[in-house]
Amino acid sequence: EAQVTQNPRYLITVTGKKLTVTCSQNMNHEYMSWYRQDPGLGLRQIYYSMNVEVTDKGDVPEGYKVSRKEKRNFPLILESPSPNQTSLYFCASSLFAGVTDTQYFGPGTRLTVL
Amino acid sequence: AQRVTQPEKLLSVFKGAPVELKCNYSYSGSPELFWYVQYSRQRLQLLLRHISRESIKGFTADLNKGETSFHLKKPFAQEEDSAMYYCALGYNFNKFYFGSGTKLNVKP
Repeated sequence: EAQVTQNPRYLITVTGKKLTVTCSQNMNHEYMSWYRQDPGLGLRQIYYSMNVEVTDKGDVPEGYKVSRKEKRNFPLILESPSPNQTSLYFCASSLFAGVTDTQYFGPGTRLTVL
Repeated sequence: AQRVTQPEKLLSVFKGAPVELKCNYSYSGSPELFWYVQYSRQRLQLLLRHISRESIKGFTADLNKGETSFHLKKPFAQEEDSAMYYCALGYNFNKFYFGSGTKLNVKP
């Protein structure tokens, strides 16, 4: 089934403990993106990638890192998580880079940082 | 700065009534606008986009550049339309900005 997968779906961690949220798509999509969703704020873009080895910052990149070594994977790395990074995270992908293409979303990862 | 505003957090209507979910944007360039929907226990998915000028599930949305709006409309709401609706702006070739969402509740 063509889809975007995220792991883990739920994660509770402590301040400062490095973590990685994985995102994978099996649709050979060029564009991938990470968002966080907080109550009353909608989805805010963290980072995006236009293709392998090409990434750029979104609106709220502070405290996050990403990499795109393979086309299918786009992990989100929190090297030193803090409580203000407690949020619901979504990964999305689209066939082509650019803002006209449909984004396909993963199921979300709920992260709690204590 | 680019922004998307959805003024209503919750919109409740009766089945068969018209629906209008409001979306206003601010962007100095040429906007790409979308409506995404999330049904209960499902993933966020595209409903429609302004460049396609299509009607999906009876919903339409017209881009009004003068009023910087992209309101979503349906003449007769159905119970299965109950969901969370997000207006999104695509800008600077690769970036997206989503509104805070409107929960539509269609009552029987």
